Amino acid sequence: EAQVTQNPRYLITVTGKKLTVTCSQNMNHEYMSWYRQDPGLGLRQIYYSMNVEVTDKGDVPEGYKVSRKEKRNFPLILESPSPNQTSLYFCASIDSGTGRTDTQYFGPGTRLTVL
Amino acid sequence: SQQGEEDPQALSIQEGENATMNCSYKTSINNLQWYRQNSGRGLVHLILIRSNEREKHSGRLRVTLDTSKKSSSLLITASRAADTASYFCARRDSGGYQKVTFGTGTKLQVIP
Repeated sequence: EAQVTQNPRYLITVTGKKLTVTCSQNMNHEYMSWYRQDPGLGLRQIYYSMNVEVTDKGDVPEGYKVSRKEKRNFPLILESPSPNQTSLYFCASIDSGTGRTDTQYFGPGTRLTVL
Repeated sequence: SQQGEEDPQALSIQEGENATMNCSYKTSINNLQWYRQNSGRGLVHLILIRSNEREKHSGRLRVTLDTSKKSSSLLITASRAADTASYFCARRDSGGYQKVTFGTGTKLQVIP
Protein backbone atom coordinates (compact mmCIF):
# COMPACT_ATOMS: atom_id res chain seq x y z
CA GLU A 1 0.00 0.00 0.00
CA ALA A 2 1.30 3.43 -1.00
CA GLN A 3 1.78 5.48 2.13
CA VAL A 4 3.69 8.04 4.15
CA THR A 5 4.47 6.97 7.70
CA GLN A 6 5.52 9.11 10.64
CA ASN A 7 6.82 8.19 14.04
CA PRO A 8 6.05 8.82 16.77
CA ARG A 9 2.38 9.79 16.43
CA TYR A 10 2.31 11.46 19.83
CA LEU A 11 5.19 12.88 21.82
CA ILE A 12 5.43 14.87 25.04
CA THR A 13 8.87 16.17 25.84
CA VAL A 14 10.64 18.89 27.80
CA THR A 15 12.37 22.05 26.68
CA GLY A 16 15.85 21.45 25.31
CA LYS A 17 15.71 17.69 24.89
CA LYS A 18 16.68 16.84 21.31
CA LEU A 19 14.18 14.82 19.36
CA THR A 20 13.71 13.38 15.88
CA VAL A 21 10.45 12.69 14.09
CA THR A 22 10.90 10.16 11.33
CA CYS A 23 9.13 10.18 7.99
CA SER A 24 9.23 7.49 5.35
CA GLN A 25 7.46 7.03 2.01
CA ASN A 26 7.30 3.92 -0.16
CA MET A 27 6.30 5.58 -3.44
CA ASN A 28 9.76 6.53 -4.71
CA HIS A 29 8.80 10.21 -4.65
CA GLU A 30 11.50 12.79 -5.11
CA TYR A 31 9.80 15.70 -3.30
CA MET A 32 9.23 15.48 0.44
CA SER A 33 8.14 18.12 2.90
CA TRP A 34 7.42 18.90 6.54
CA TYR A 35 4.57 21.12 7.75
CA ARG A 36 3.31 22.29 11.07
CA GLN A 37 -0.32 23.06 11.73
CA ASP A 38 -1.45 25.50 14.37
CA PRO A 39 -5.01 26.70 15.09
CA GLY A 40 -6.02 29.59 12.85
CA LEU A 41 -2.79 29.43 10.84
CA GLY A 42 -3.40 26.47 8.56
CA LEU A 43 -0.38 24.44 7.51
CA ARG A 44 2.98 26.11 7.16
CA GLN A 45 5.89 24.52 5.38
CA ILE A 46 9.00 24.03 7.52
CA TYR A 47 11.46 22.44 5.08
CA TYR A 48 11.22 20.65 1.80
CA SER A 49 13.48 18.45 -0.26
CA MET A 50 13.37 18.14 -4.02
CA ASN A 51 15.69 15.14 -4.05
CA VAL A 52 18.40 13.30 -2.12
CA GLU A 53 20.86 15.76 -0.55
CA VAL A 54 18.75 18.71 -1.76
CA THR A 55 16.83 20.55 0.95
CA ASP A 56 15.49 24.07 1.27
CA LYS A 57 13.74 26.23 3.81
CA GLY A 58 10.01 26.69 3.80
CA ASP A 59 8.23 29.52 5.57
CA VAL A 60 9.01 28.58 9.20
CA PRO A 61 12.41 26.78 9.35
CA GLU A 62 13.74 28.33 12.58
CA GLY A 63 14.48 25.75 15.26
CA TYR A 64 14.32 22.78 12.88
CA LYS A 65 16.80 20.70 10.89
CA VAL A 66 16.27 18.10 8.20
CA SER A 67 18.38 15.68 6.21
CA ARG A 68 17.73 13.69 3.06
CA LYS A 69 20.36 10.97 2.79
CA GLU A 70 18.09 8.52 1.00
CA LYS A 71 15.05 8.96 -1.13
CA ARG A 72 12.50 7.32 1.15
CA ASN A 73 13.36 9.04 4.44
CA PHE A 74 13.13 12.67 5.53
CA PRO A 75 13.56 13.05 9.30
CA LEU A 76 12.73 16.27 11.14
CA ILE A 77 15.14 17.17 13.94
CA LEU A 78 14.49 19.55 16.81
CA GLU A 79 17.88 20.14 18.40
CA SER A 80 16.56 22.13 21.36
CA PRO A 81 12.76 22.09 21.41
CA SER A 82 10.88 25.00 22.93
CA PRO A 83 7.21 25.34 23.94
CA ASN A 84 6.42 27.39 20.81
CA GLN A 85 7.17 24.26 18.79
CA THR A 86 4.18 22.52 20.32
CA SER A 87 2.15 21.73 17.24
CA LEU A 88 0.73 19.10 14.92
CA TYR A 89 3.35 18.06 12.36
CA PHE A 90 2.74 16.50 8.98
CA CYS A 91 5.16 14.91 6.58
CA ALA A 92 4.25 14.69 2.91
CA SER A 93 5.64 13.51 -0.39
CA ILE A 94 4.78 14.56 -3.93
CA ASP A 95 4.69 12.45 -7.03
CA SER A 96 6.84 14.85 -9.05
CA GLY A 97 8.95 12.62 -11.29
CA THR A 98 8.51 11.65 -14.93
CA GLY A 99 4.84 11.15 -15.77
CA ARG A 100 3.99 12.80 -12.47
CA THR A 101 0.57 13.51 -11.11
CA ASP A 102 1.91 16.16 -8.67
CA THR A 103 -0.39 14.70 -6.05
CA GLN A 104 0.78 15.34 -2.48
CA TYR A 105 0.39 12.46 -0.02
CA PHE A 106 0.32 13.17 3.71
CA GLY A 107 1.37 11.14 6.70
CA PRO A 108 -1.04 10.74 9.64
CA GLY A 109 0.55 13.52 11.70
CA THR A 110 2.65 13.77 14.88
CA ARG A 111 1.23 15.68 17.80
CA LEU A 112 4.16 17.20 19.71
CA THR A 113 3.91 18.88 23.10
CA VAL A 114 6.96 20.63 24.53
CA LEU A 115 6.70 21.44 28.24
CA SER B 1 2.72 36.37 5.41
CA GLN B 2 2.86 34.53 2.11
CA GLN B 3 -0.02 32.28 3.02
CA GLY B 4 -2.93 32.18 0.63
CA GLU B 5 -6.17 33.77 1.64
CA GLU B 6 -9.30 31.69 1.79
CA ASP B 7 -12.82 32.85 2.24
CA PRO B 8 -15.08 32.44 3.89
CA GLN B 9 -13.31 31.31 7.06
CA ALA B 10 -16.42 29.40 8.05
CA LEU B 11 -19.50 28.31 6.16
CA SER B 12 -22.67 26.66 7.42
CA ILE B 13 -25.21 25.25 4.96
CA GLN B 14 -28.08 22.81 4.84
CA GLU B 15 -27.65 19.36 3.39
CA GLY B 16 -28.35 19.40 -0.34
CA GLU B 17 -27.14 22.98 -0.86
CA ASN B 18 -23.99 23.89 -2.74
CA ALA B 19 -20.88 25.17 -0.97
CA THR B 20 -18.35 27.50 -2.58
CA MET B 21 -14.93 28.29 -1.16
CA ASN B 22 -12.44 30.72 -2.61
CA CYS B 23 -8.68 30.92 -2.52
CA SER B 24 -6.48 33.84 -3.57
CA TYR B 25 -2.70 34.06 -3.87
CA LYS B 26 0.02 36.44 -4.99
CA THR B 27 2.75 34.41 -6.69
CA SER B 28 3.18 32.52 -9.98
CA ILE B 29 2.13 28.95 -9.52
CA ASN B 30 2.92 25.56 -10.96
CA ASN B 31 -0.32 24.08 -9.66
CA LEU B 32 -2.97 24.53 -6.99
CA GLN B 33 -4.48 21.76 -4.92
CA TRP B 34 -7.48 21.40 -2.66
CA TYR B 35 -7.51 19.24 0.47
CA ARG B 36 -10.04 18.16 3.07
CA GLN B 37 -9.22 17.64 6.73
CA ASN B 38 -11.50 16.16 9.31
CA SER B 39 -10.97 17.60 12.80
CA GLY B 40 -7.17 17.61 13.22
CA ARG B 41 -6.65 14.41 11.30
CA GLY B 42 -4.66 13.84 8.13
CA LEU B 43 -5.26 15.73 4.91
CA VAL B 44 -6.99 14.11 1.99
CA HIS B 45 -6.14 15.28 -1.51
CA LEU B 46 -9.24 16.28 -3.49
CA ILE B 47 -8.23 17.90 -6.78
CA LEU B 48 -5.10 19.33 -8.39
CA ILE B 49 -5.39 21.95 -11.10
CA ARG B 50 -2.37 23.03 -13.12
CA SER B 51 -1.60 26.60 -14.09
CA ASN B 52 -2.60 25.97 -17.72
CA GLU B 53 -6.00 24.54 -16.76
CA ARG B 54 -9.15 26.53 -16.04
CA GLU B 55 -11.58 23.99 -14.64
CA LYS B 56 -11.58 20.44 -13.30
CA HIS B 57 -14.27 18.14 -12.01
CA SER B 58 -14.26 15.15 -9.71
CA GLY B 59 -17.62 13.73 -8.73
CA ARG B 60 -19.49 16.48 -6.85
CA LEU B 61 -16.41 18.71 -6.80
CA ARG B 62 -15.65 21.45 -9.30
CA VAL B 63 -12.50 23.55 -9.15
CA THR B 64 -11.80 26.64 -11.22
CA LEU B 65 -8.58 28.57 -11.60
CA ASP B 66 -8.16 32.12 -12.86
CA THR B 67 -4.46 32.87 -13.10
CA SER B 68 -5.07 36.46 -14.22
CA LYS B 69 -6.91 37.14 -10.96
CA LYS B 70 -4.71 34.71 -9.01
CA SER B 71 -7.70 32.97 -7.55
CA SER B 72 -9.34 29.56 -7.39
CA SER B 73 -12.66 28.28 -6.17
CA LEU B 74 -13.93 24.93 -4.96
CA LEU B 75 -17.59 24.12 -5.43
CA ILE B 76 -19.18 21.18 -3.65
CA THR B 77 -22.59 20.41 -5.10
CA ALA B 78 -25.46 18.67 -3.31
CA SER B 79 -23.59 18.73 -0.01
CA ARG B 80 -23.89 15.95 2.55
CA ALA B 81 -23.34 15.89 6.31
CA ALA B 82 -20.20 13.83 5.64
CA ASP B 83 -18.72 16.83 3.78
CA THR B 84 -18.38 18.63 7.13
CA ALA B 85 -14.64 19.33 7.40
CA SER B 86 -12.02 21.99 6.88
CA TYR B 87 -10.95 22.65 3.31
CA PHE B 88 -7.57 24.01 2.33
CA CYS B 89 -6.07 25.23 -0.88
CA ALA B 90 -2.34 24.82 -1.41
CA ARG B 91 -0.29 26.33 -4.18
CA ARG B 92 3.03 25.04 -5.46
CA ASP B 93 5.14 27.90 -6.73
CA SER B 94 6.69 27.77 -10.16
CA GLY B 95 10.39 28.25 -10.80
CA GLY B 96 13.39 26.85 -9.00
CA TYR B 97 12.13 27.23 -5.43
CA GLN B 98 9.04 25.09 -5.40
CA LYS B 99 7.62 25.79 -1.99
CA VAL B 100 4.11 24.67 -1.18
CA THR B 101 1.99 27.24 0.61
CA PHE B 102 -1.35 26.49 2.21
CA GLY B 103 -4.24 28.84 2.77
CA THR B 104 -5.72 29.25 6.22
CA GLY B 105 -8.72 27.09 5.36
CA THR B 106 -12.49 27.19 5.28
CA LYS B 107 -14.41 25.33 7.97
CA LEU B 108 -17.55 23.87 6.38
CA GLN B 109 -20.48 22.63 8.41
CA VAL B 110 -23.26 20.80 6.60
CA ILE B 111 -26.40 20.56 8.69
CA PRO B 112 -28.51 17.42 8.12
